[in-house]
Amino acid sequence: EVQLVESGGGLVQPGRSLRLSCAASGFTFNDYGIHWVRQAPGKGLEWVSGISYSSGTIDYADSVKGRFTISRDNAKNSLYLQMNSLRSEDTALYYCAKDRKTWYNTGLNDALDMWGQGTMVTVSS
Amino acid sequence: QSALTQPASVSGSPGQSITISCTGTSGDVGDYNLVSWYQQYPDKAPKLMIYGVTNRPSGVSDRFSGSKSGNAASLTISGLQAEDEADYYCSSYSSSSALNWVFGGGTKLTVL
Repeated sequence: EVQLVESGGGLVQPGRSLRLSCAASGFTFNDYGIHWVRQAPGKGLEWVSGISYSSGTIDYADSVKGRFTISRDNAKNSLYLQMNSLRSEDTALYYCAKDRKTWYNTGLNDALDMWGQGTMVTVSS
Repeated sequence: QSALTQPASVSGSPGQSITISCTGTSGDVGDYNLVSWYQQYPDKAPKLMIYGVTNRPSGVSDRFSGSKSGNAASLTISGLQAEDEADYYCSSYSSSSALNWVFGGGTKLTVL
């Protein structure tokens, strides 16, 4: 069974740091790009960051660029998000989600086909 | 990285068909056949319903269909059922950067 399990969320003060993890199982992790997508309470989905299968391509939303760092450890089937200088507007449920296509499939990836259950990050004093 | 535009809400009666629109730009929806749709129940993770504009993943009912014209994509649900009541989000690859995905603001579907 394909599974993504996020962890590491919690209550943190503004300006502090937090590191999220996403443990993958049930598929060949190092064949897929993986993303972080967040959802503020009562709001819609917002793409945060993505990383290619080999970590060769990394990208961030403007709202987190310079503060968040995405990484992966293919040997551990794990994805990470280091979040620094946290702000109240970063309060959200953070999901990890995988590309539908592998790196060797033809063409650009066309969807995120599996999502974890999310880990909640609350930034408040 | 502007969000795609969706109506905040739509409604329909059981058995009817509804369509949810998703408007983007030439840098995302208009230029790429990489539109996807997600269904989300309260306090649940999103579920992929449509990928590549028109394709359904295995296990998704054929009552769900997708289309695109120009900078706008649409999700149509036919034979509406009570279980279809949920939030729906469109998404598209965006040319603004290498791995950028942009989402719509979401549409709340109410089955009357």
